[in-house]
Amino acid sequence: ILNVEQSPQSLHVQEGDSTNFTCSFPSSNFYALHWYRWETAKSPEALFVMTLNGDEKKKGRISATLNTKEGYSYLYIKGSQPEDSATYLCAFDSNYQLIWGAGTKLIIKP
Amino acid sequence: EPEVTQTPSHQVTQMGQEVILRCVPISNHLYFYWYRQILGQKVEFLVSFYNNEISEKSEIFDDQFSVERPDGSNFTLKIRSTKLEDSAMYFCASKEGRSYNEQFFGPGTRLTVL
Repeated sequence: ILNVEQSPQSLHVQEGDSTNFTCSFPSSNFYALHWYRWETAKSPEALFVMTLNGDEKKKGRISATLNTKEGYSYLYIKGSQPEDSATYLCAFDSNYQLIWGAGTKLIIKP
Repeated sequence: EPEVTQTPSHQVTQMGQEVILRCVPISNHLYFYWYRQILGQKVEFLVSFYNNEISEKSEIFDDQFSVERPDGSNFTLKIRSTKLEDSAMYFCASKEGRSYNEQFFGPGTRLTVL
């Protein structure tokens, strides 16, 4: 059974601080890894699709890295803002389906 | 900006009743998906759909579930005889092509089975 783990489960960060969290996934049958940002009562919003070992992607203050050999990805947020408060989900893409982690709930304290 | 829409936003039904959850994917997308999230649990894949047929389905997607694209616009999930454990948030998603595209998600339908 393919399992995707995210840690920590939740995170409180002071506004202005930088933070990061982890997604662990199976290192075999890798096709892609997705990061989504999900605010309550809204649609999950795609952040990144990562495919190659060593990939590093950036969107504004958010960036992500990928290590397919050891099966992990990090998501980094630089200079956290209140609007970054959300649940960040990663999903392992086996080419047929997305297998989801439980998410990291990020709360930014003003 | 194009978006995936879902109706209704909340559906309450009695156990044993049939429900149909509706989704309108982004118009030029070719791949369609249903996921669900039971409260407090991970998002789970249900089914993927391409070229008017199911490409992949999970163990959850048993004979009580069916999907259809009746008119080239809507993508529906039918649960024939709902059970209490079907209560969840159901998300529809669509993707443009086969390659490494992100899936675009709708806002979800909250299904409550009483």
